[in-house]
Amino acid sequence: NAGVTQTPKFRILKIGQSMTLQCTQDMNHNYMYWYRQDPGMGLKLIYYSVGAGITDKGEVPNGYNVSRSTTEDFPLRLELAAPSQTSVYFCASSYSTKSGNTIYFGEGSWLTVV
Amino acid sequence: GESVGLHLPTLSVQEGDNSIINCAYSNSASDYFIWYKQESGKGPQFIIDIRSNMDKRQGQRVTVLLNKTVKHLSLQIAATQPGDSAVYFCAEIGGSGNTGKLIFGQGTTLQVKP
Repeated sequence: NAGVTQTPKFRILKIGQSMTLQCTQDMNHNYMYWYRQDPGMGLKLIYYSVGAGITDKGEVPNGYNVSRSTTEDFPLRLELAAPSQTSVYFCASSYSTKSGNTIYFGEGSWLTVV
Repeated sequence: GESVGLHLPTLSVQEGDNSIINCAYSNSASDYFIWYKQESGKGPQFIIDIRSNMDKRQGQRVTVLLNKTVKHLSLQIAATQPGDSAVYFCAEIGGSGNTGKLIFGQGTTLQVKP
C-alpha cells in the first residue's frame, strides 16, 4: 500500500490562478479529509467526505471546492487563489473515524500564493 | 475547541521530567478523542486515543486523561526525551454516530531541554 498520496508537494501560484491539489489513497477508506495548516498554527478542516459521492464543509470551506467521484480520490480545488490561501495542506483518510490509529495523513502540500 | 488564530502555546521541560499537555474541547457531543504529534515539516502522527466512556487510557510512556465535566483532555508524557520535542494536537470527533468530522484543537509546542 502506498497510503495517502498528495501532489504536488510544493507549488507557487499567482493571485487569481486556479489549481487542484490531488489526494489519493489505496486503502479503500471511506473517510477522507482536507486540512490546511498556516505557519505556527493548528490544522483547520476544509472539507471532508464520508464516502464516494458525499462531501461536507468543514471549518474553513470558503475559497475551496472538492469532489469525491471515487473512493480513492479526493481532489481539492482552488478556483481564484488568494494570498490568504498560502498554507500547508494535508489530506487524510480513514477506515473508521472512531479508530484513531487508522487515520492516515499525507505528507503535505506547501502552497504559496503571490 | 476551535482556534481563534492564536499562535501555539509552548511548554518547555527538562529531559527526564514528566510533561503534561492540556486541551479544551467545545463540543459536548464529541465521543472520541485523539492525541497527535507533529514534527517539523511532517504530517500529524497518531499517539493515543480515548473514548468518552473512559476517563483514562495508558500507552507506552503516555497517558491520556479525559474530564467530560469540564470538557478537558490532557496528555501526560513520562520521562520526556529530546525526541518528544514536537507540536502536540488533540482532535475530536463531533456528534453521535460516525459523522466523520475530525476537528483539531489549538496545539502545544513541547520543547525538551537536554
